[in-house]
Amino acid sequence: ETVLTQSPGTLSLSPGERATLSCRASQSVGNSFLAWYQQKPGQTPRLLIYGASSRATGIPDRFSGSGSGTDFTLTISRLEPEDFAVYYCQQYGNSPDTFGQGTKVEIK
Amino acid sequence: QVQLVQSGAEVKKPGSSVKVSCKASGGAFSSYSFSWVRQAPGEGLEWMGRVIPIVGVANYAQKFQGRVTISADRSTSTASLELRSLRSEDTAVYYCARSPGRYMRDYYFDSWGQGTLVTVSA
Repeated sequence: ETVLTQSPGTLSLSPGERATLSCRASQSVGNSFLAWYQQKPGQTPRLLIYGASSRATGIPDRFSGSGSGTDFTLTISRLEPEDFAVYYCQQYGNSPDTFGQGTKVEIK
Repeated sequence: QVQLVQSGAEVKKPGSSVKVSCKASGGAFSSYSFSWVRQAPGEGLEWMGRVIPIVGVANYAQKFQGRVTISADRSTSTASLELRSLRSEDTAVYYCARSPGRYMRDYYFDSWGQGTLVTVSA
């Protein structure tokens, strides 16, 4: 199966700063079928990005996704207070689906 | 507005089975596919398997093969997860997650159920 490794494990930043989250796959992700989710404590995951770079409905444009092959990035251009959460990547281009272990974005 | 409503929390003994349901409303059930994703306490997300209602086909993560059945009832717009031979490591929140289509390009999750806590304890 395709193993996804997210880095860093924790990102400590201040509101207004830029966040760059990485998701690296153990093999090429077919068709760049990669998604990003945000999860806050006690809440269900929320889809942010699919197809590596397409924003889901209602997601602010400060969230952007990029990458292909084995290297993918989620960028939050300017952190808002509500963006502090855990972020997961998921690949669905190779069977079975797999998730990364998550990156926690915390307030510095 | 799509809504996925899951059945309530369960407490089970080791070796027993659990069945969790997920009723969908607000969309054309057969147009979608449904997965089950679990999250152990303090841990990340783990995909368990998927069912495609329009063709009645399910596929599973190898880790759960032989121990899990995922099904869909088009008459009630309900997807279900059955997990057998439960052990303490199966204690987790189980989420139903909808994908917007039945092809691989659609296999991201745009809608999630509220989660069902399954506790396995003697």
